[in-house]
Amino acid sequence: KAGVTQTPRYLIKTRGQQVTLSCSPISGHRSVSWYQQTPGQGLQFLFEYFSETQRNKGNFPGRFSGRQFSNSRSEMNVSTLELGDSALYLCASSFVDRGPYEQYFGPGTRLTVT
Amino acid sequence: GQQLNQSPQSMFIQEGEDVSMNCTSSSIFNTWLWYKQDPGEGPVLLIALYKAGELTSNGRLTAQFGITRKDSFLNISASIPSDVGIYFCAGRIQGAQKLVFGQGTRLTINP
Repeated sequence: KAGVTQTPRYLIKTRGQQVTLSCSPISGHRSVSWYQQTPGQGLQFLFEYFSETQRNKGNFPGRFSGRQFSNSRSEMNVSTLELGDSALYLCASSFVDRGPYEQYFGPGTRLTVT
Repeated sequence: GQQLNQSPQSMFIQEGEDVSMNCTSSSIFNTWLWYKQDPGEGPVLLIALYKAGELTSNGRLTAQFGITRKDSFLNISASIPSDVGIYFCAGRIQGAQKLVFGQGTRLTINP
């Protein structure tokens, strides 16, 4: 079974631009979570989508948004990029919405804002 | 807020040594997960724990779900160079849906 895939793997943008990252979960997984990882802050939860609905949200500004499609694929958008948005953005998928909650991560998208 | 205290933050050991790390919290957890992350890659799930007192092994790795449900431990026996990386604990607090993550333990091995 294929793992979680994320595209693109690397991205360079300039301040003020916007960016869209894509995540394809493991087949059959309906929950997709997004995380931001930086050396200083560790793994920070952005949001989780389940059945096309945002179920949980972290403490990030409204410039960070996401959505999930009917095939469970998810996209994350960051508008008006700031230098501090440079990070590894990780997507994780999970099969069940209650009970055991194993999350499987993709390789990440490395975003650099200049 | 919900916090996971993971320690130690970093470890420098000799090849062949055993390693221990742990995560603690003031909250009660239903699930504990341990991940390993290599540079530039996403975390890889190593072990999942679901019951208090549960002890689970994956090769040279052994993890335990603390009896109080507020902590978990990961041990690595006879470390080898490929064990180098950052190890994260993650847990699902009772009544919550999302996972919370520890800050990670960076393992460095001297050959």
